Amino acid sequence: DTAVSQTPKYLVTQMGNDKSIKCEQNLGHDTMYWYKQDSKKFLKIMFSYNNKELIINETVPNRFSPKSPDKAHLNLHINSLELGDSAVYFCASSPSGGGIGGYTFGSGTRLTVV
Amino acid sequence: EDQVTQSPEALRLQEGESSSLNCSYTVSGLRGLFWYRQDPGKGPEFLFTLYSAGEEKEKERLKATLTKKESFLHITAPKPEDSATYLCAVRFTGGGNKLTFGTGTQLKVEL
Repeated sequence: DTAVSQTPKYLVTQMGNDKSIKCEQNLGHDTMYWYKQDSKKFLKIMFSYNNKELIINETVPNRFSPKSPDKAHLNLHINSLELGDSAVYFCASSPSGGGIGGYTFGSGTRLTVV
Repeated sequence: EDQVTQSPEALRLQEGESSSLNCSYTVSGLRGLFWYRQDPGKGPEFLFTLYSAGEEKEKERLKATLTKKESFLHITAPKPEDSATYLCAVRFTGGGNKLTFGTGTQLKVEL
């Protein structure tokens, strides 16, 4: 029973393509997040949704568009992919307010743009 | 600017050789400091939350402590299975639910 699941786990694509990453959580959490982890392991927040409403939108190119059809799902669509978008993207969830235990993370999607 | 800095970047220990990892932070209004463990190819896994200076939490060979400026993750008599990247993150006033992460300490424990 995976708590936070992301698909696909690996994604290799060419520059200029459009791709999507899907995330689902079965923890009953109200808040979901997208984080980007670069090659130096630095995790940086991109977006956060609370009950389908966008509440955090960090300085991210508008080629990245999150969508939350319901509070258990948060998808990330990326247009016109660039080499610099190569990274591991993590989805996470938490109760509203963040929770005592912080976030529960998915296992990540490794995106490679060639 | 709110910042989280972890040191050292990498640490190599012999099995049984105790040590500490450091996480220093410069945020206004700390609302929680979190420690995570990350294994290769996996997402970060929650270890501890600390809320106020003087607080300590323990789990097996790990003990986390918090002061007003930094947190330490003490590893006592580590084993090879403790090898991982340890990440520190903070939640602060004005940041909503956002966790701001440090760059991590990559720990390798050898036989």
